Amino acid sequence: EVQLVQSGAEMKKPGESLKISCKGSGYSFTNYWIAWVRQMPGKGLEWMGIIYPGDSDARYSPSFQGQVTISADKSISTAYLQWSSLKASDTAIYYCAKQYSGHDNYYDYWGQGTLVTVSS
Amino acid sequence: DIQMTQSPSTLSASAGDTVTITCRASQSISSWLAWYQQKPGKAPKLLISKASTLESGVPSRFSGSGSGTDFTLTISSLQPDDFATYYCQHYESSPYTFGQGTKLEMK
Repeated sequence: EVQLVQSGAEMKKPGESLKISCKGSGYSFTNYWIAWVRQMPGKGLEWMGIIYPGDSDARYSPSFQGQVTISADKSISTAYLQWSSLKASDTAIYYCAKQYSGHDNYYDYWGQGTLVTVSS
Repeated sequence: DIQMTQSPSTLSASAGDTVTITCRASQSISSWLAWYQQKPGKAPKLLISKASTLESGVPSRFSGSGSGTDFTLTISSLQPDDFATYYCQHYESSPYTFGQGTKLEMK
């Protein structure tokens, strides 16, 4: 059974750093892109970027380039999303999602979401 | 970058109705379009890929159509479980953006 299990909710202060995780199982983790998607409170889905765990090739939406870093450790089938200096506007639920197949970057399995709250 | 625009933003309907949600791309994306359903507090669920291919287990009352820049998601004979928010997403080229969503609410 394919599963993406994300790390738990985080409460941080502005300026702090954070790294959240997404562990895949039940499929060949190295062979499928993993996407990160933001959902701000009461808002829609925003595509942030993707990573190919096989070679750690990462691509970003221009809206998120330079704001976050996407990485992966294929040895433990885990993808990461990290911030070096959080802002209040980073408060959101963050989902990871598995690409369907080699050329088709839509998402057939999703993590449960990680709620990140940034507040002083 | 390709922008995706959904309409309407909110749609009020009753059980048994047939509804249509529209998604427009800012440039041609061939048929590289997916539709998702999201319920409150849950992750999105994939419904349709390649504009019209129904995912396994998705009821046949859901259907998708279109190509190029204009796409539709149609839900026939609405069931209570269908009231949710729907998103389109293109996957023609990175960044693979989502539409802003259409909330289907009970009239």
